[in-house]
Amino acid sequence: QKEVEQNSGPLSVPEGAIASLNCTYSDRVSQSFFWYRQYSGKSPELIMSIYSNGDKEDGRFTAQLNKASQYVSLLIRDSQPSDSATYLCAVKTNAGKSTFGDGTTLTVKP
Amino acid sequence: GAGVSQSPSNKVTEKGKDVELRCDPISGHTALYWYRQSLGQGLEFLIYFQGNSAPDKSGLPSDRFSAERTGGSVSTLTIQRTQQEDSAVYLCASSLVGQLETQYFGPGTRLLVL
Repeated sequence: QKEVEQNSGPLSVPEGAIASLNCTYSDRVSQSFFWYRQYSGKSPELIMSIYSNGDKEDGRFTAQLNKASQYVSLLIRDSQPSDSATYLCAVKTNAGKSTFGDGTTLTVKP
Repeated sequence: GAGVSQSPSNKVTEKGKDVELRCDPISGHTALYWYRQSLGQGLEFLIYFQGNSAPDKSGLPSDRFSAERTGGSVSTLTIQRTQQEDSAVYLCASSLVGQLETQYFGPGTRLLVL
């Protein structure tokens, strides 16, 4: 079992729809959770970080964390073609390094 | 302020040659990561430096790969006797250590081994 697993994708949604990206992790002592976006040919950049159970909203993006279920998700409301990218989930324990999932590729169709 | 820089941006080498890739992290960042990313694939963790602690080398794929970080700042990833399967983008990231440890990535070095 991989430490961090994401939807295999690719995920395609129409413009204006909600895109839902999911991530599960295996290490129960994981404390911090991150979503990065990577455009084709570019480096990853942070979208959101979360460390408390519940929802965290930032504009059109909402991160949801459920530590009991070892599950973190990213919702993108009113999806735009410019949101088309690969989304990477990363998980970190307090003492150790961050571990990335393989990513989910999202395509938003106009 | 300046972000993470990497050099060279592109490197073409012949099979069997050694290559050195350089990473300049953001000033003051104590943590530094190296990743490898093949075309269309996810990030493959290679090595992690954190302050003065011994580096986590668990991701290095073979003993041809090594890395060092001098003075807690600049890092060099060395690949000896390069193979064609080493062709990939090599990404470096740095961060402050803490609960919300955001990684800031450099632009990467594209390595092509002929």
